Amino acid sequence: DAGVIQSPRHEVTEMGQEVTLRCKPISGHDYLFWYRQTMMRGLELLIYFNNNVPIDDSGMPEDRFSAKMPNASFSTLKIQPSEPRDSAVYFCASSLFSDQETQYFGPGTRLLVL
Amino acid sequence: SQQGEEDPQALSIQEGENATMNCSYKTSINNLQWYRQNSGRGLVHLILIRSNEREKHSGRLRVTLDTSKKSSSLLITASRAADTASYFCATDYYNQGGKLIFGQGTELSVKP
Repeated sequence: DAGVIQSPRHEVTEMGQEVTLRCKPISGHDYLFWYRQTMMRGLELLIYFNNNVPIDDSGMPEDRFSAKMPNASFSTLKIQPSEPRDSAVYFCASSLFSDQETQYFGPGTRLLVL
Repeated sequence: SQQGEEDPQALSIQEGENATMNCSYKTSINNLQWYRQNSGRGLVHLILIRSNEREKHSGRLRVTLDTSKKSSSLLITASRAADTASYFCATDYYNQGGKLIFGQGTELSVKP
């Protein structure tokens, strides 16, 4: 298996622009998680899905952030409009229901908002 | 916040030495996990210890859990330069629906 796939790996955009981050979880995994990592705040859980349904979005910082999972093999995290304070590394992770404690992380998307 | 604390924040040792990292957490847990992150990469799961376990081994890794003190430690024996990375503990709390709360991490540097 190729592991969790994220795209793009790097994104540089200007303040006010829309940013869409993409994630393909490991095939067969039931859970999908979106995290944000910064030096100041560490690794924060933004939202997670179970069987494509959002379970907990309490970590989503504000209405500018939205996430979708239209099917079991694809999820997006959208920021609209983006702000410089959104600059961070965004990770997607997935896990298997029977082993839901172990999460498998993607390589991350490094986002810079100018 | 239920984010646990890790110490030390940074640790520098020579190859062959042992490295010990500690993690404290806030309330009752289902399990505690340790992850490694190499620079510029995603996190990799190392080991999981459940609340009813006290010690677990995996290769050169040894994890202990003391639920009375709400703390865990990760020991890496006979360290190698390739162990250089950041190490994070992650707690699965009873009331968090299975999501993990990550600590701030310990940055380990192993010098050859």
